[in-house]
Amino acid sequence: QVQLQESGPGLVKPSETLSLTCTVSGGSISSYYWNWIRQPPGKGLEWIGYIHYSGSANYNPSLKSRVTMSVDTSKSQFSLKLSSVTAADTAVYYCAKWEATWNAFDIWGQGTIVTVSS
Amino acid sequence: EIVLTQSPGTLSLSPGERATLSCRASQSVSSSHLVWYQQKPGQAPRLLIYGASSRATGIPDRFSGSGSGTDFTLTISRLEPEDFALYYCQQYGSSSPLTFGGGTKVEIK
Repeated sequence: QVQLQESGPGLVKPSETLSLTCTVSGGSISSYYWNWIRQPPGKGLEWIGYIHYSGSANYNPSLKSRVTMSVDTSKSQFSLKLSSVTAADTAVYYCAKWEATWNAFDIWGQGTIVTVSS
Repeated sequence: EIVLTQSPGTLSLSPGERATLSCRASQSVSSSHLVWYQQKPGQAPRLLIYGASSRATGIPDRFSGSGSGTDFTLTISRLEPEDFALYYCQQYGSSSPLTFGGGTKVEIK
């Protein structure tokens, strides 16, 4: 059974770059689309984008100018970078696996909270 | 972008009662691209229903999904104590970024 684990700094200063990594275990990172989703405190879910194991990516237009995703198949990891962060980027960040058979996120990481504050 | 509007925002019910949650889309959504998740406090969302009406692995049959076009419904036939949670719908389409609804909280009355 595939498991996902997010890691990265829990505190980022305004205007800096948020960097998170998701480690895939219990299965192969090859195939599948790997996603980042966030949830501000007390609010709903926002899809950030996906990275395919081949390296192709697709981002939410609302964040596209600030987002970069990458994948390292040798480490079974994929990463998110979000630049020029503000307090509005404070959220729980989840990585999730997209199951194309069902057009749904079938496996999620536990989430990691990132606070943007000086 | 397709906007999903969930109603009601909060549903106050007692265990054993029936819950009916609505998800309305601003444009038509393919049924194969409409999904429901359940989220409990401090946890990641869990896949409940995909393809508008198919239960995910391990989901009890008291959960059912229906609908088409712009109107979709999640029904919980008889609420169990563990069903009190937040529920989100989500759509995916080639002409729109993936979006989630704002959520419906099912709380104990």
